Amino acid sequence: DGGITQSPKYLFRKEGQNVTLSCEQNLNHDAMYWYRQDPGQGLRLIYYSQIVNDFQKGDIAEGYSVSREKKESFPLTVTSAQKNPTAFYLCASGGFDSTSTDTQYFGPGTRLTVL
Amino acid sequence: AQKVTQAQTEISVVEKEDVTLDCVYETRDTTYYLFWYKQPPSGELVFLIRRNSFDEQNEISGRYSWNFQKSTSSFNFTITASQVVDSAVYFCALSPAAYNFNKFYFGSGTKLNVKP
Repeated sequence: DGGITQSPKYLFRKEGQNVTLSCEQNLNHDAMYWYRQDPGQGLRLIYYSQIVNDFQKGDIAEGYSVSREKKESFPLTVTSAQKNPTAFYLCASGGFDSTSTDTQYFGPGTRLTVL
Repeated sequence: AQKVTQAQTEISVVEKEDVTLDCVYETRDTTYYLFWYKQPPSGELVFLIRRNSFDEQNEISGRYSWNFQKSTSSFNFTITASQVVDSAVYFCALSPAAYNFNKFYFGSGTKLNVKP
């Protein structure tokens, strides 16, 4: 099945720790995105990548880092510099194929809680 | 400025009622895309529809229908004969084509509660 997977589903972090959230897609999409969702709010863009080995900051990149070494993978690291990391994190991918130009497809999300 | 407003924070209906979720957008771009996504309690955003700015035809898919009106900058979503499984948060999003990447502007979402 084609789709986007995120792991883990739930993640607990102690203050001062870095944690990495995994995102993998097998949709052959060039672009990948990370969003943060806080309760009762919309989605805010953290980072995005349009091609391998290239990525750009979104609207709320401070305290986060990413890498894009493979087309299929776009891991997000939440660093200790992120002051309020408790949130729901969603990964998305998007392509420019003939049927879904500009559409973003989302993974199931990772819920991060700081203890 | 790019902005999406979903003024209805939460709506409650009884099963089989029709319900309309409002979406108003702001953009100066002439070419743009509008989207609706459904977020059930599990959390994953499920893509429902994409509409480009040159296509103002309304669309119907089963119990779902969408009304796109450029004159009022609205892209409203109607669920006919609602069911309990329709309970979710629904997001409207705007993607201007002028950007060099596919930036989405999301509304804050409307939580729909369908009661049996």
